Amino acid sequence: AQSVAQPEDQVNVAEGNPLTVKCTYSVSGNPYLFWYVQYPNRGLQFLLKYITGDNLVKGSYGFEAEFNKSQTSFHLKKPSALVSDSALYFCAVRDARLGSGTYKYIFGTGTRLKVLA
Amino acid sequence: DTEVTQTPKHLVMGMTNKKSLKCEQHMGHRAMYWYKQKAKKPPELMFVYSYEKLSINESVPSRFSPECPNSSLLNLHLHALQPEDSALYLCASSGVYGQETQYFGPGTRLLVL
Repeated sequence: AQSVAQPEDQVNVAEGNPLTVKCTYSVSGNPYLFWYVQYPNRGLQFLLKYITGDNLVKGSYGFEAEFNKSQTSFHLKKPSALVSDSALYFCAVRDARLGSGTYKYIFGTGTRLKVLA
Repeated sequence: DTEVTQTPKHLVMGMTNKKSLKCEQHMGHRAMYWYKQKAKKPPELMFVYSYEKLSINESVPSRFSPECPNSSLLNLHLHALQPEDSALYLCASSGVYGQETQYFGPGTRLLVL
C-alpha cells in the first residue's frame, strides 16, 4: 500500500520568511501526490498536485511543491509566508483503485503551520 | 466552480435521535465520498459512491447509512449514534478518470450527547 509521512507536527515561521512543510512518500509505481490546507472547523482545500511532468508544481495562494523522486519527497513551499497561511496542512497520495474509476487517498498526519507576525 | 456544499454546518443530537447529513456538488463528478475527521487528525474514509452505487464501505458501523439519490447528492443517515461518533464529517467528490482531484465540502460538525 502507498503511504505518506509528514515528519513535523508543527512548523513555526516568521511572516515574510520562506516556509517549507515536509512530506515523504512510499509508493509502488508512479506517485500521484496532493497537498491540502485546512483552516479551523473547515473542510480541506486543494492546493496542488503532482501527476507527471515538471518537478516543481505551482498551486493556489502562492504555494508550490517540489517533487523529488530520488529522495521520495514532495515538500510544500512558499517564498514569503503570511499570517493568514497559518493552518493545518495535509499531504496525500492516491492509493488503491476501488473500482469504477474511484481511488482511495491516503492522508498524512498533518502539519500545523504557525506564521508569527 | 469547485464547490461542494454540506448541510447542516453544525448538528447536536442525542443517542436515540435520527438525523441526516446532506452533501451536494454540481461539478459533474461521478464519485462521492464520506470521511470522518477527529480533531487534528487526518480524514478517515467511510464510504465511496461511484456512479451512484456504493463502491466501498470501510467497515463502518450500521448506525451510519449512506445514500446517493442522484449524481449530485449524497446523504448520510445517522441513527443511535454514540458519543465517540462526535467529529467533523466531510463530503468530497471527484471525477473518475484516474488523475482526479478530490474536492471537499466545509463539513458538518457533529456532537452526540
